[in-house]
Amino acid sequence: NAGVMQNPRHLVRRRGQEARLRCSPMKGHSHVYWYRQLPEEGLKFMVYLQKENIIDESGMPKERFSAEFPKEGPSILRIQQVVRGDSAAYFCASSPGGQETQYFGPGTRLLVL
Amino acid sequence: GQQLNQSPQSMFIQEGEDVSMNCTSSSIFNTWLWYKQDPGEGPVLLIALYKAGELTSNGRLTAQFGITRKDSFLNISASIPSDVGIYFCAGPPVGGYQKVTFGTGTKLQVIP
Repeated sequence: NAGVMQNPRHLVRRRGQEARLRCSPMKGHSHVYWYRQLPEEGLKFMVYLQKENIIDESGMPKERFSAEFPKEGPSILRIQQVVRGDSAAYFCASSPGGQETQYFGPGTRLLVL
Repeated sequence: GQQLNQSPQSMFIQEGEDVSMNCTSSSIFNTWLWYKQDPGEGPVLLIALYKAGELTSNGRLTAQFGITRKDSFLNISASIPSDVGIYFCAGPPVGGYQKVTFGTGTKLQVIP
């Protein structure tokens, strides 16, 4: 039973480009969460999604950031027109539904040059 | 917003020693979670606590849910080199839905 999968593991972008981060939840999990972690800091909640629905996006910047979890395929976190301050590790977690126990993926480390 | 403060921020210990760390909150939690993060990896769930006063063990790890519901403790007995990493407490506060808040982390270094 594969765990949460994220790709790419590392992503380098120049300022102004777009970054697309993918997350495939654990089998049987229909709830996905995205977190951001800056160096030497804890994880900060960004967005919580169920299939085809955004449940809570209160932690996500209003501009340039968007997330989706389509009926088929992985969840996508999209960052448009990246800036250096977007450099961070982005983690995805999933849960079976309605439970607090979240299982994390290995993360995508985004570096903006 | 919710804040979880962990202490100590970092610690160096000798292999074989016991370790204690704690986590305090400004608000009440219904669930406490303890995660460990290895360098370059995602957090891995160690222990989950669901009831005030609960004491739960997982191998050499023991965690307690404080009776005030505003704190939790994690103990590691007989530390080994692979215990190195960052330990995070986390939890959804009452009414916090699924929005898990993470603590500031305790960085553990074990000297062989």
